[in-house]
Amino acid sequence: AQTVTQSQPEMSVQEAETVTLSCTYDTSESDYYLFWYKQPPSRQMILVIRQEAYKQQNATENRFSVNFQKAAKSFSLKISDSQLGDAAMYFCAYRSRGQMEYGNKLVFGAGTILRVKS
Amino acid sequence: EAGVTQSPTHLIKTRGQQATLRCSPISGHTSVYWYQQALGLGLQFLLWYDEGEERNRGNFPPRFSGRQFPNYSSELNVNALELEDSALYLCASSLMRGLVIRAGELFFGEGSRLTVL
Repeated sequence: AQTVTQSQPEMSVQEAETVTLSCTYDTSESDYYLFWYKQPPSRQMILVIRQEAYKQQNATENRFSVNFQKAAKSFSLKISDSQLGDAAMYFCAYRSRGQMEYGNKLVFGAGTILRVKS
Repeated sequence: EAGVTQSPTHLIKTRGQQATLRCSPISGHTSVYWYQQALGLGLQFLLWYDEGEERNRGNFPPRFSGRQFPNYSSELNVNALELEDSALYLCASSLMRGLVIRAGELFFGEGSRLTVL
């Protein structure tokens, strides 16, 4: 079974600075998806960024980018120019690719609370 | 376009009672997933329904059950409530048509907060 580990329960960053959230995962599969989701106080989970394991290029979405190290099974999220609105719980998630019995089921890490200081 | 909607927002029950939570997926989505988010534990997968059938189940006891209706909305039932069932229950929906699995994005509702006293 796949597992996702987020070793940082809480992180802080000064507004306008850069922060990196860590995520490692364990799997025997070679093809899969990795995601970062954001959960603000409103509780609704929002997709931040997605990485497909067969793609070597790291995904980027505006101020958000990932460092995907497949051999090391590491998937960190970098937030540049941090804004107050980035304060939230961030979850790393894994999804098997091409396995019908799982559909779009995600396996989540325990989450990292990000605090942004003004 | 309306997103995933869940009801009720909050629910307070006592031990031994039953709780029913409801979820309406995004229009056109046939798959509904239920997750439990207990404090400090991240999101734990509960159930997946697609086209009215239970497709996959997480490591939860049988007193967690549910169903999906013909309009693809879903209900999660928790029987014989225990204190540790207190959590945020999140519903998510996605597309899944036949043998084609759309690439991975789940759309989440805002959750139902269940408190068991």
